Amino acid sequence: GQQVQQSPTSLVLQEGENAELQCNFSTSLNSMQWFYQRPGGSLVSVFYNPSGTKQSGRLTSTTVIKERRSSLHISSSQITDSGTYLCAMEPHMGYKLTFGTGTSLLVDP
Amino acid sequence: EAAVTQSPRNKVAVTGGKVTLSCNQTNNHNNMYWYRQDTGHGLRLIHYSYGAGSTEKGDIPDGYKASRPSQENFSLILELATPSQTSVYFCASGGPGQLYFGEGSKLTVL
Repeated sequence: GQQVQQSPTSLVLQEGENAELQCNFSTSLNSMQWFYQRPGGSLVSVFYNPSGTKQSGRLTSTTVIKERRSSLHISSSQITDSGTYLCAMEPHMGYKLTFGTGTSLLVDP
Repeated sequence: EAAVTQSPRNKVAVTGGKVTLSCNQTNNHNNMYWYRQDTGHGLRLIHYSYGAGSTEKGDIPDGYKASRPSQENFSLILELATPSQTSVYFCASGGPGQLYFGEGSKLTVL
């Protein structure tokens, strides 16, 4: 079965609203990452977050390894935040990321 | 700045034909990866490499081969392309916390 479950699948916000994206893992993991993919484009790492909470500007990531979950909080969303957000887990053995199917975010003006 | 370059960016191939997707990185990373991205599946790992001369099977290697002739270059080879291999392919280099992706190669197999 799917090892990485992301929710919601898609999300539409009005500019200025906040968003909470979730990622749940079915197996134990060593760490996890969040990536941003612009429409039709490449992926860029947003957070490498083995555990705990990290913040970068309007983005905050919280990972709880024991509970096998991670979240990405986007505050005061902007139109330029639109795109797909993917989480990926790093298993205990070796560095082979397993990706979720992503959350498609659209921020309307 | 870390750079991963893929070619071709777009490719149309016929069923049964051979396709080679190339990837070049200037990051001097040991690890390189090939993923495919399909709606509903996210990114799935096809092959990866720990350095020149090494290739390892990922989660979905069937129908694909890989070649790592040098630190900088990593190719994905489809010897007999099939329509089910129509997808967007991404190359990446790096490791934990520093994974860099190319712009993607869109492959259509007719």
